Amino acid sequence: GDSVTQMEGPVTLSEEAFLTINCTYTATGYPSLFWYVQYPGEGLQLLLKATKADDKGSNKGFEATYRKETTSFHLEKGSVQVSDSAVYFCALNTGNQFYFGTGTSLTVIP
Amino acid sequence: DGGITQSPKYLFRKEGQNVTLSCEQNLNHDAMYWYRQDPGQGLRLIYYSQIVNDFQKGDIAEGYSVSREKKESFPLTVTSAQKNPTAFYLCASSKGEVGNIQYFGAGTRLSVL
Repeated sequence: GDSVTQMEGPVTLSEEAFLTINCTYTATGYPSLFWYVQYPGEGLQLLLKATKADDKGSNKGFEATYRKETTSFHLEKGSVQVSDSAVYFCALNTGNQFYFGTGTSLTVIP
Repeated sequence: DGGITQSPKYLFRKEGQNVTLSCEQNLNHDAMYWYRQDPGQGLRLIYYSQIVNDFQKGDIAEGYSVSREKKESFPLTVTSAQKNPTAFYLCASSKGEVGNIQYFGAGTRLSVL
């Protein structure tokens, strides 16, 4: 069945460091791919999305490219800030359902 | 402002009690979802509904029940049959088409007394 596998955390980085969180997927058909962010005690918020191969989603300095050949959608940011500390979820959508990864906790220290 | 409202934010359940979590959306979305989130884990689908008066079980439906009498509302009841209900519950909605964004409420944290 459809599924998402993402890098396990927790991840701790210094401010201004480069961030990569790996995400790979298994899906039949042509899924749409998403990154969501969750701050403590809150629901998930959409960070970015891509709906077809080679699309690049971007928002707030974060980027991810839909790679069909490697079935991946890795999240990157060139320079993280303390305010980026949160849990990040990779997700895919095919048909009626969404499938989420287990989440990667990121802590950015000053 | 459009969005999804979950209430209450915190809920306590006594042994043998049923409790109901509210989820209301004013986004005019057809599809609504309930997820359970446990510490350090991802989201697990409890139930989802694509249209009024219809809903389907997700991966962990046992011990839970839902109704969808109105497009805007999708309440979740945690029954006494759910032996380990302590978790963070998230409601979400989407237009129901492939590629559409799923929007989330702020969640309800349920604990057992």
